[in-house]
Amino acid sequence: GAVVSQHPSWVICKSGTSVKIECRSLDFQATTMFWYRQFPKQSLMLMATSNEGSKATYEQGVEKDKFLINHASLTLSTLTVTSAHPEDSSFYICSANLAGVSYNEQFFGPGTRLTVL
Amino acid sequence: AQTVTQSQPEMSVQEAETVTLSCTYDTSESDYYLFWYKQPPSRQMILVIRQEAYKQQNATENRFSVNFQKAAKSFSLKISDSQLGDAAMYFCAYRSVWGNKLVFGAGTILRVKS
Repeated sequence: GAVVSQHPSWVICKSGTSVKIECRSLDFQATTMFWYRQFPKQSLMLMATSNEGSKATYEQGVEKDKFLINHASLTLSTLTVTSAHPEDSSFYICSANLAGVSYNEQFFGPGTRLTVL
Repeated sequence: AQTVTQSQPEMSVQEAETVTLSCTYDTSESDYYLFWYKQPPSRQMILVIRQEAYKQQNATENRFSVNFQKAAKSFSLKISDSQLGDAAMYFCAYRSVWGNKLVFGAGTILRVKS
């Protein structure tokens, strides 16, 4: 099956620093990738939709200058949390669309746990 | 905008028994997809089952089956012969045929007792 990886799986950083999270589709090309944020025991909240070669589309209430998304190739999207603060601590999940099938299934990465001290 | 509601925050089931998780949704569209995802403690999202709205037949995947009631906008998940490995958070999700975004419900934590 289609595999999506995320790196790192967990990261701890100091307040005020920036952190980059990578999302890769390992065995397929993904024209569209998604970034979610999840708090403990809560649902996934879509942050943005990332299309290869174009600017990401952010959901209402998500600061685009805070959460920079780059989708430079058909297999890689990155999320950079700029000037991170403790309230940015969360679990970040990416997913990628497997195009070419009727239902365009989304495949999810294993997630990245971000802790900002 | 579409919404998905899971009214059961937590459910428990005895091992080998059957449990049903509820999901309702709201949409004005006639064609769409519905999904159930499982998120175990590892937090890796796993697709459990998928239903196309144009299909009247309920989807089944081994011990997992759905009861899709389009008119009632209901999409419940039945897990038969529950196993300890079924313990997880389960999310119901909606996707329009015209878009790529998934709309998730709040989730139901399923506990399996041995």
